[in-house]
Amino acid sequence: GQNIDQPTEMTATEGAIVQINCTYQTSGFNGLFWYQQHAGEAPTFLSYNVLDGLEEKGRFSSFLSRSKGYSYLLLKELQMKDSASYLCAVLDSNYQLIWGAGTKLIIKP
Amino acid sequence: DVKVTQSSRYLVKRTGEKVFLECVQDMDHENMFWYRQDPGLGLRLIYFSYDVKMKEKGDIPEGYSVSREKKERFSLILESASTNQTSMYLCASSLTTGAYQETQYFGPGTRLLVL
Repeated sequence: GQNIDQPTEMTATEGAIVQINCTYQTSGFNGLFWYQQHAGEAPTFLSYNVLDGLEEKGRFSSFLSRSKGYSYLLLKELQMKDSASYLCAVLDSNYQLIWGAGTKLIIKP
Repeated sequence: DVKVTQSSRYLVKRTGEKVFLECVQDMDHENMFWYRQDPGLGLRLIYFSYDVKMKEKGDIPEGYSVSREKKERFSLILESASTNQTSMYLCASSLTTGAYQETQYFGPGTRLLVL
C-alpha cells in the first residue's frame, strides 16, 4: 500500500527553527509537495521537490532524499502566523497525489 | 493568480436532502478535484476530472456523484445526504498532468453539516 507518515503535532517557540519530517512509501515518485493550512482555511502551496537536495524559499526550506523516501520542511525565525498544519503529499507513478494527514504546528511566544 | 471559488462557505442540510456543491476555477486548468477533510484523517479524494464530461472515482466515491459540463466548473452532488457526510469539502484544480503542473490550488472550502 501507499503510505505517508508525518508527526501529528509539534510545538516550537517564536523565533526558533523547526523541522517537520515526512517519510513516504509510494508506487513510484514524481515529486513531493508541501502545503500550509491555517485552521478553517484551504491548503496553500509551499514547495515542490523532485530532485534530491535542499530548496530554499525565504524562511522556508524543503529537503528531499529519494533513496531514503524522506523529506523535511524547515521553518526558520518562527512567527506566530506560522501556526498551522503542514501537509506533505507525494505524486506517484500514476500522477495521483497521495496526502499525509498533516502536522499541526503550535508556536508559543 | 489562480482563483478557485466554491458556492458556499457553510451549509446546513437535513438527512435525505439532495445537496449540490459547486466549484469554479478561472485559470483554464484541465484537472479538478473534490476532497473531504475530517480531523485526523487528512484529505481524502472523492472524485476527480481530467477533462470536460470526464470523471474518475477517487478513494471514497460512495454516496457522491460529480458533473463537469464546462471546463471551469466541477460540481459535487450528494444524492441523499447522511450525517456521516458532515465534513469540510474542498475543491482543487491543477493545470495539467505531469510533475509541477500537478500543483493543486484549493478553493476556500465548504463546511457541510447534515442534521
